[in-house]
Amino acid sequence: SQQGEEDPQALSIQEGENATMNCSYKTSINNLQWYRQNSGRGLVHLILIRSNEREKHSGRLRVTLDTSKKSSSLLITASRAADTASYFCATARAGGTSYGKLTFGQGTILTVHP
Amino acid sequence: GAVVSQHPSRVICKSGTSVKIECRSLDFQATTMFWYRQFPKKSLMLMATSNEGSKATYEQGVEKDKFLINHASLTLSTLTVTSAHPEDSSFYICSASGQTPVVNEQFFGPGTRLTVL
Repeated sequence: SQQGEEDPQALSIQEGENATMNCSYKTSINNLQWYRQNSGRGLVHLILIRSNEREKHSGRLRVTLDTSKKSSSLLITASRAADTASYFCATARAGGTSYGKLTFGQGTILTVHP
Repeated sequence: GAVVSQHPSRVICKSGTSVKIECRSLDFQATTMFWYRQFPKKSLMLMATSNEGSKATYEQGVEKDKFLINHASLTLSTLTVTSAHPEDSSFYICSASGQTPVVNEQFFGPGTRLTVL
């Protein structure tokens, strides 16, 4: 079952604005990853944050992780029209038979208007 | 970076036929490959996990006789959709992981769009 829940389901903003997407999960995790998917295409790995990390940056991306609340956020600053895509969080569970498996959230569809 | 390819990228077939989708890791050895299914505007659902040289482990609700997975080498896994029906139409994505370039990180293929008429 999909344990990740993302909000909002859809986000529409103007170019230059910031976009924030949230992800919640239910079980203990090893790490949490964010992916981007353009329509009808494969996944592009954006960033991975480990369970012992609280914040991570990569270019215009900032990811936070709050393991006490079992939630993460992805912030895209100074958005561009090319950022238009679906964004998914995915959690890698800690230990057991699920080791290595990723569970994906429902995704946020981001539209950036030029 | 690690590259994973899928072939074909798109396939249309008649109901009742079988379709084979290949997933290859091009520049690393994939000890584990994962197969996902994605419906339009939906998330990825893990179907099965395959380890090289052993039988695939299927997620609950996925018919192993319907979706045959073979992981015969460290660079190739195949998913065969047997006796395909229109409800099998979907986007199928594989991922591969190994000890390198990053231990156990999954690298995704570009996906295969299957349409069953």
